Amino acid sequence: QVQLVQSGAEMKKPGASVKVSCKASGYTFTGNFLHWVRQAPGLGLEWMGRINPHSGGTDYAPKFQGRVTMTTDSSISTAFMELRSLTTDDTAVYYCAREPVIAAGLDYWGQGTLVPVSS
Amino acid sequence: DIKMTQSPSSLSASVGDRVTITCQASQDISYYLNWYQQKPGKAPKLLIYDASNSETGVPSRFSGSGSGTDFTFTISGLQPEDIATYYCQQYDILPITFGPGTKVDIK
Repeated sequence: QVQLVQSGAEMKKPGASVKVSCKASGYTFTGNFLHWVRQAPGLGLEWMGRINPHSGGTDYAPKFQGRVTMTTDSSISTAFMELRSLTTDDTAVYYCAREPVIAAGLDYWGQGTLVPVSS
Repeated sequence: DIKMTQSPSSLSASVGDRVTITCQASQDISYYLNWYQQKPGKAPKLLIYDASNSETGVPSRFSGSGSGTDFTFTISGLQPEDIATYYCQQYDILPITFGPGTKVDIK
C-alpha cells in the first residue's frame, strides 16, 4: 500500500533553516509528482510547490521562490523540502502529498511534520 | 494566482441533513477542482477529483458538481463521522490554490 512517512517535529529559531523528509513506499517513486503543502495553526492549506522525482524538475509557489528547495533521492525513495530564513510566520505543519499519474488531486498524504519557529 | 472562495465558512447541521458547500474560482478553471476532508490533527483526504468524480472508497453520500467558476460539494445525509473541515482546490493553473475551508459540525 502507498505510504508517505515524514520526519519528526523540529523546533527552529528565526533565521534558521529546516529540512523535512518524506519517504515513499508502495509505488514507483519516480512515477509521480510530490507536492508540499503547509498549514499554519488554525488556518487553511497553502501549496508550496512540487517536484518531479523522475527529472528533478520543480515548480514553486511565488511566495516561496528563492527560499525553498525541493529535492529527491530516488535511491531511498525520499523527497526533501528545505525552507530557509525562517520566521515565526513559518510555524506550521508541513505535509508532503502525492499527485496521481493522471494529475487529479493529491491522493496520498504524509502524516505531517510540525515546525514551530520561536526565539 | 487564482483565488478560491468558499461559503459558508462554517455550518451546523443535524444528522441526516443534506449539506451543501459552494466554491467559486476567480477565473474559469474548467473542471480542475478537487475537494478534501480534513479532520482535526489529521492530513487532508481527497474525496472528489475533477469536480465530480469520487475517489475510490469514498462513501456515496459525498458528491460534487460544477465547472468553470462555480462548484458545489454535497453531503446527502450528514453522519457524525463527517465532522471536519472541507477544502476545495484548483489545479488548472499553478500555483495550486485552496479555498479557505468550510467547517462542518453537528447541531
